[in-house]
Amino acid sequence: EDKVVQSPLSLVVHEGDTVTLNCSYEVTNFRSLLWYKQEKKAPTFLFMLTSSGIEKKSGRLSSILDKKELFSILNITATQTGDSAVYLCAVEIYGGATNKLIFGTGTLLAVQP
Amino acid sequence: GAVVSQHPSRVICKSGTSVKIECRSLDFQATTMFWYRQFPKKSLMLMATSNEGSKATYEQGVEKDKFLINHASLTLSTLTVTSAHPEDSSFYICSARDWRTSHYEQYFGPGTRLTVT
Repeated sequence: EDKVVQSPLSLVVHEGDTVTLNCSYEVTNFRSLLWYKQEKKAPTFLFMLTSSGIEKKSGRLSSILDKKELFSILNITATQTGDSAVYLCAVEIYGGATNKLIFGTGTLLAVQP
Repeated sequence: GAVVSQHPSRVICKSGTSVKIECRSLDFQATTMFWYRQFPKKSLMLMATSNEGSKATYEQGVEKDKFLINHASLTLSTLTVTSAHPEDSSFYICSARDWRTSHYEQYFGPGTRLTVT
C-alpha cells in the first residue's frame, strides 16, 4: 500500500526559529514529491521535487529530496507568525490512466510571536 | 494563475437528503479533476479522479453509488453526496489539472464544508 508519513505531527516554535519538517514515503511508481501549505482552506503549492540532491528554494523556504532513502525535508528559516499552517507533503504516482497524489498526514506548525 | 472555485463553500443538510458540490476551473480547461475528502486534523484523502467525458475512477473503499461524480465539461465537475448521513460530514476539496499545459501541478479549490444533521 502506498504510504506517505510526515513528522512531527505538530510543532510550536518562536518567531525567528528555523524548522525542519520531514516526509518519508513508500510508494510504487514514484513520479514526484510536492509540498503544500494549507491555512484555512485549500492547499497552496510550494515545491515540486523530482531529482535527488537538488535543493529548491523560495525565500525563506527550501526543500530537498533523497530518492535513495525515500524522504524529503522542508526547511523554513527565520520563521514568522504568517508561516503558521499545516504543511502537507504529497507524492505523485503513476496511476494508470492518470497520475495521482498521495498525501501525508501533515505537520501543524504554530509560530508564536 | 489558475483559479478553481467551489460552490457552495458551506452547506448544512438533513440526513437522507442529497447534496451537490460544484468545482469549476475559471481560467483554464481542466482535463482532469480530483475530489478529496479531509477530516479534522487529518490529511487529504483522494476519493476519485474524473476525466472530462468519461466515468470517474474511484479509490478503494469509496462508494461510487453514494458519491456521484460528473465531469461533463472541461470547466465543471460535480460531486453529489446521495442520501447523506452524519458520517459524511467533512471538508470536500476538488483540484483540477490541465494536462496540456501543466503535467504536474494540481490547482485546488477552496473546499466545501458539509455538515449533515
